Amino acid sequence: QQKVQQSPESLSVPEGGMASLNCTSSDRNFQYFWWYRQHSGEGPKALMSIFSDGDKKEGRFTAHLNKASLHVSLHIRDSQPSDSALYFCAASEPRRQGGRALIFGTGTTVSVSP
Amino acid sequence: EAAVTQSPRSKVAVTGGKVTLSCHQTNNHDYMYWYRQDTGHGLRLIHYSYVADSTEKGDIPDGYKASRPSQENFSLILELASLSQTAVYFCASSDTGGYYEQYFGPGTRLTVL
Repeated sequence: QQKVQQSPESLSVPEGGMASLNCTSSDRNFQYFWWYRQHSGEGPKALMSIFSDGDKKEGRFTAHLNKASLHVSLHIRDSQPSDSALYFCAASEPRRQGGRALIFGTGTTVSVSP
Repeated sequence: EAAVTQSPRSKVAVTGGKVTLSCHQTNNHDYMYWYRQDTGHGLRLIHYSYVADSTEKGDIPDGYKASRPSQENFSLILELASLSQTAVYFCASSDTGGYYEQYFGPGTRLTVL
């Protein structure tokens, strides 16, 4: 069973519009989340992390975490064509020797049309 | 900007052959990770390492070995490549565990025929 689930699978947004992505975890041990963005042909790159209830804003990106419902969301304001990419939600899980695995969702493909 | 490089960027291998994927980081990070990406599964952790000459199993280690000969280098080895190992493989590095960001390389596209 996928421990981190994302919706929608894909999303089309007009340039200048708002994109809203959702993520739900099935594991209450997950307390720290990341949003990563992957452009075609590249590796994922971190956008932001969140571990406290409420909102966290970084530029045009706002993440929201509700620990009670294990729900995380990402909102992209004033979307640009360069925001077209695959977006992953990932939970940070502790492992042996201090390592931390990222448990990725299946991703949301965002397409921003001019 | 943290730097993680991977080689080769793409590879075609035959079933039953040996494949070695290499990763090099110049971030002076202690932790290095290998993930694979398949359509519909996101990325999944194969192996990781916290120090040279030591590796740990991740979530899907079967069929893979890892080697960390130095802090900068981390290899993924497929001793007997199989069709099911066709995927894109990503290496990542992070600072001293904790909640530090993982920096990913550009990936290696492996096709096993």
